[in-house]
Amino acid sequence: DGGITQSPKYLFRKEGQNVTLSCEQNLNHDAMYWYRQDPGQGLRLIYYSQIVNDFQKGDIAEGYSVSREKKESFPLTVTSAQKNPTAFYLCASSTRRSGSLYEQYFGPGTRLTVT
Amino acid sequence: GESVGLHLPTLSVQEGDNSIINCAYSNSASDYFIWYKQESGKGPQFIIDIRSNMDKRQGQRVTVLLNKTVKHLSLQIAATQPGDSAVYFCAENAGGGNKLTFGTGTQLKVEL
Repeated sequence: DGGITQSPKYLFRKEGQNVTLSCEQNLNHDAMYWYRQDPGQGLRLIYYSQIVNDFQKGDIAEGYSVSREKKESFPLTVTSAQKNPTAFYLCASSTRRSGSLYEQYFGPGTRLTVT
Repeated sequence: GESVGLHLPTLSVQEGDNSIINCAYSNSASDYFIWYKQESGKGPQFIIDIRSNMDKRQGQRVTVLLNKTVKHLSLQIAATQPGDSAVYFCAENAGGGNKLTFGTGTQLKVEL
């Protein structure tokens, strides 16, 4: 089956620790994204990558870091500098549907709780 | 900055009725719009999309309407079923590229 996998589904960490969230896709998509979702709110873009070895900051990149060493993988590290890390994190990848239009496919998400 | 917003945070409908979920956008350069459905604890799922050169697009039980004059987007769900209960997001793509801007979402509740 083709798709996007995120692991783990639930993650618990102590304050002050860095934590890395996994995102893998086998859809052969070039672009990948990380979003953060807080209760009752929409999705906010953290980082995105349009091609291997390249990535750009989204709207709320502070306290996060990413890497894109392989096309299939786009891990997100939540650092201790992120002031409010508890949230639902969603990874997505995209393909071109027609012309310059892109549809994003989402993974199941990782719920991170930091205490 | 530009934003995508929704008129109603919660919409309750009776099973079998039609549902209409609205979305206002402010970026006149947006040329592509997507509706996503998100069930509790899961990632968003693509429902239907529409390009700015269209006014209407139909899928299976869903229709998206685009009114560029007032920058308004709506999702119509026919014969709403309990499985339609979820949060619905609209998203816009402005001027090409592959970044989407998402609205805050509308919770659809289907009453039996």
